[in-house]
Amino acid sequence: AQSVTQLGSHVSVSEGALVLLRCNYSSSVPPYLFWYVQYPNQGLQLLLKYTSAATLVKGINGFEAEFKKSETSFHLTKPSAHMSDAAEYFCAVSAPSGGYQKVTFGIGTKLQVIP
Amino acid sequence: NAGVTQTPKFQVLKTGQSMTLQCAQDMNHEYMSWYRQDPGMGLRLIHYSVGAGITDQGEVPNGYNVSRSTTEDFPLRLLSAAPSQTSVYFCASSYKASWAYGYTFGSGTRLTVV
Repeated sequence: AQSVTQLGSHVSVSEGALVLLRCNYSSSVPPYLFWYVQYPNQGLQLLLKYTSAATLVKGINGFEAEFKKSETSFHLTKPSAHMSDAAEYFCAVSAPSGGYQKVTFGIGTKLQVIP
Repeated sequence: NAGVTQTPKFQVLKTGQSMTLQCAQDMNHEYMSWYRQDPGMGLRLIHYSVGAGITDQGEVPNGYNVSRSTTEDFPLRLLSAAPSQTSVYFCASSYKASWAYGYTFGSGTRLTVV
């Protein structure tokens, strides 16, 4: 079984401040991990993914995430928040299940950026 | 533009009515799936397909049917709409039915059942 926990359904940061969105996972096999972003009234867009090549993963729009196996975490960060970063962010874990892909999404974290 | 196209974007149904949500992708993706998104519950998998002619149930399949006659299309059918099916529905595709690939999502269908 696999699961994803996103700590904090709402996070507020000031423009220019560090963005930190937390994600912890559980998986019985080495997982692949993803972050998606959803802007209002749109579908989800892949931000970045971890596939075991490197523990620090860089994504689009200046975001990055670090895979920490010992902490079962995959937190998303950005050094300086921009107004355009306001959106909902979803962490997802993907692992084999019966030979096929099984993806489990977290419940999402809404990021508010304050001018 | 290549991607996943969902129609309609909005729909209001009366309880008991049936309808089909359309999903088409032009990326020759092998894997397609349907999710519903509800506040505080994230995304939940309804049905998925690993190729033409092959479909299977996700975690919340009751009240929904799917078929995959072509690689490109993966329609979702609501058999007899219920208010509990009010939700935003997303179609997503992936190059392969493998855990290494991320999804490409459509823009969603917002369904209200009254």
